[in-house]
Amino acid sequence: AQTVTQSQPEMSVQEAETVTLSCTYDTSESDYYLFWYKQPPSRQMILVIRQEAYKQQNATENRFSVNFQKAAKSFSLKISDSQLGDAAMYFCAYRTPEAGSYQLTFGKGTKLSVIP
Amino acid sequence: EAGVTQSPTHLIKTRGQQATLRCSPISGHTSVYWYQQALGLGLQFLLWYDEGEERNRGNFPPRFSGRQFPNYSSELNVNALELEDSALYLCASSPRTVNTEAFFGQGTRLTVV
Repeated sequence: AQTVTQSQPEMSVQEAETVTLSCTYDTSESDYYLFWYKQPPSRQMILVIRQEAYKQQNATENRFSVNFQKAAKSFSLKISDSQLGDAAMYFCAYRTPEAGSYQLTFGKGTKLSVIP
Repeated sequence: EAGVTQSPTHLIKTRGQQATLRCSPISGHTSVYWYQQALGLGLQFLLWYDEGEERNRGNFPPRFSGRQFPNYSSELNVNALELEDSALYLCASSPRTVNTEAFFGQGTRLTVV
């Protein structure tokens, strides 16, 4: 079974600074997807960024980028130029490429605070 | 376009009662997923429905059940409620293709007293 571990229950960052959230996972699969989701106080899960395991290039979405190390099974999220609106719970998630399935395995989350 | 909608927003039940939670997927999405988010435990996969059939379930007891209707909306039923069932229950929907994302609703907060 796949597992996802987020070792930082809480993190804080100064506004406009950069922060990195860590995630490691365990799987015997060679093909899979990895995600970072943001959950603000509104509770709705919002997809921040996704990475396909077969792609060596790290995914980037505006101020959000990942450092995907497949051999080390590591998938960290870097937030640049942090903004107050980035404050939220962040969840790392894993998904197999089974056709039609969006069944996700989540980590326990990291609570990010942004200091003005 | 309307997103995934869940009802009710909050639900308070007594231990031993039954709870019914509802989810309406995005139009055109045939798959519905249910997750439990208990305090401090992250999200745990509960159930996956597609085209009216249960495709997979997580490691939860049989008192957690559900169904998907012909219009692809879904119900999650929790029987014989226990205090530890108190959690946020999130529903997500997706079309049945590989290279897409799922969209989440805002959840139902179930409190068992």
